[in-house]
Amino acid sequence: QGQLVESGGGVAQPGRSLRLSCEASGFMFNTYGMHWVRQAPGKGLEWVAVIWYDGSSQYYADSVKGRFTISRDNSKNTVYLQMNSLKVEDTAVYYCAKDGRGPYIYGSGGMDVWGQGTTVTVS
Amino acid sequence: DVQMTQSPSSLSASVGDRVAITCRASQSVSSHLNWYQQKPGRAPKFLISTASTLQGGVPSRFSGSGSGSVFTLSITNLQPEDFATYYCQQSHITPYTFGQGTKLEIK
Repeated sequence: QGQLVESGGGVAQPGRSLRLSCEASGFMFNTYGMHWVRQAPGKGLEWVAVIWYDGSSQYYADSVKGRFTISRDNSKNTVYLQMNSLKVEDTAVYYCAKDGRGPYIYGSGGMDVWGQGTTVTVS
Repeated sequence: DVQMTQSPSSLSASVGDRVAITCRASQSVSSHLNWYQQKPGRAPKFLISTASTLQGGVPSRFSGSGSGSVFTLSITNLQPEDFATYYCQQSHITPYTFGQGTKLEIK
């Protein structure tokens, strides 16, 4: 089934940067797309970004486009989220999630494995 | 972007009841509709993919239906562990948007 462990959360001032990491285990990481999803305090889920299994394409929510970058290192079984020009409204728990569609398929079939989340506070 | 709207936003029910949650998309998402369950302080759990495919380990009292722009999550014989917040999400076209959530509470 797999396991995902996020790290890198913390407190940052508006305008600053943070980089989140998510290390995967228990599945063939290099064959599945990976997502970031966030949840602001007391709010619902917001999809943030996806990267295809081979890193060939990345897509973003409008709210983060141009500020956040998703990337992956398949040799390290790790997906990253570089967050620049942070805003107060980026405060949230950030989850990484494995796409359920695959292996070796572009597109998404939902998110079947989730990490425990890492908290980002912009203040 | 595809807007996803769930109804109701909250719902009270009793153990043993049957409930239904509706998810409407602002345009057709074909059958690329997923459902998740989330309990307080926990990561979401994947329940249903492609509108009606139950994920492994999910009890058969959960079911999904619909296609195009209207979808339904049904839960029969509600159990205490089913009281949670439920989200739909479309994976038809990026950005992959979620509904606002439906909180299922014990009556």
